[in-house]
Amino acid sequence: SSELTQDPAVSVALGQTVRITCQGDSLRSYYASWYQQKPGQAPVLVIYGKNNRPSGIPDRFSGSSSGNTASLTITGAQAEDEADYYCNSRDSSGNHLFGGGTKLTVL
Amino acid sequence: EVQLVESGGGLVQPGGSLRLSCAASGFTFSSYWMHWVRQAPGKGLVWVSRINSDGSSTSYADSVKGRFTISRDNAKNTLYLQMNSLRAEDTAVYYCARELQYCTNGVCWENWFDPWGQGTLVTVSS
Repeated sequence: SSELTQDPAVSVALGQTVRITCQGDSLRSYYASWYQQKPGQAPVLVIYGKNNRPSGIPDRFSGSSSGNTASLTITGAQAEDEADYYCNSRDSSGNHLFGGGTKLTVL
Repeated sequence: EVQLVESGGGLVQPGGSLRLSCAASGFTFSSYWMHWVRQAPGKGLVWVSRINSDGSSTSYADSVKGRFTISRDNAKNTLYLQMNSLRAEDTAVYYCARELQYCTNGVCWENWFDPWGQGTLVTVSS
């Protein structure tokens, strides 16, 4: 299928670990990238490739992939991590797909 | 500083047209594929279109194919999105984004968007 599926909402206690998943057939061939978006702001890249963080992204953010599933893990979630998170991958034609987004609440 | 700045959004009637621009700075614009991504109010990100580095290849989401045209002027470091036959469902914030790739043996397994512009709001309403 040409879709990426994410859970709509996830919650985590402050300081605990949370994993956000993304499923789709394209992920069997291409790595996902992950974006954080806070209200009223543009998306920001947090993870790309096998498990790479752009400069300025805390090391509590990590990524992994297995089969048709990509995961974003936040180890020791902070209040400022509360945001929407989107996965993305390309498909075989060079087009791109976004997941529906996961709203992360830090309790 | 690597930066993308969109402009051209606004209020347009159904069936109307609008051209968005995305001004790039801080990097060699002509070396990168570029994309448009949109986000309807309260909804998720949706990929719209992409163009390769020299403008010779383009691709579109089915929802805009035949109505939108992506183009670029590498001499002006600017990306464009010409939007025709606009519909209410095209109402969204439109972002431009640079695509980066990591390729091995000619295959690009890793692709990501960085940076993104701040977005420009397009409202289609009578």
